[in-house]
Amino acid sequence: EVQLVESGGGLIQPGGSLRLSCAASGLTVSSNYMSWVRQAPGKGLEWVSVIYSGDSTYYADSVKGRFTISRDHSRNTLYLQMNSLRGEDTAVYYCARGSWTCDFWGQGTLVTVSS
Amino acid sequence: DIQMTQSPSSLSASVGDRVTITCRASQSISIYLNWYQQRPGKAPKLLIHSASNLQSGVPSRFSGSGSGTDFTLTISGLEPEDFATYYCQQSYSTPGTFGQGAKVEIK
Repeated sequence: EVQLVESGGGLIQPGGSLRLSCAASGLTVSSNYMSWVRQAPGKGLEWVSVIYSGDSTYYADSVKGRFTISRDHSRNTLYLQMNSLRGEDTAVYYCARGSWTCDFWGQGTLVTVSS
Repeated sequence: DIQMTQSPSSLSASVGDRVTITCRASQSISIYLNWYQQRPGKAPKLLIHSASNLQSGVPSRFSGSGSGTDFTLTISGLEPEDFATYYCQQSYSTPGTFGQGAKVEIK
């Protein structure tokens, strides 16, 4: 059974940094396309970033230069390093398997950017 | 970026009703269209990929159709667990943009 479990969310001040983790079981993170998708409170879904099996990465324009997606094969874990956080980054962050077609999702972790 | 527009944004329906949600792309995306269901407080769930292919384990009352710029999600015989928000998403080009969502509420 595939499970994705996000962690690392919380309350952070504007300008701060946070690293989200997504621990996987039942699939190998390094062999799959993996994505981060976020959802601001009461809003729709927004794709954030994807990492391909060859380690190439893409980012939404809204986070480019501030967020970095990566993975650790030994820990079978996906990461999202978020720097220079802004209020508009407040959202539930989901990790998911796939690039645009995501068939397995974690339960999400809430990031709140506020002073 | 390709813009995805869903209609209606919300609708009220009763158990047993047939419900149709449409999704329009700002340019042709062939059949590269996914549908997701999201229940309150839960992660999205992939229902349909490639416009009309039912994801494994999804009930057959869900169906999708369309190509090019216009797509439809149909629920034939609404069940209580189907009251949720539905999102379309194009997988034709980077980034894979989502529609704004369509909330199906109980009448």
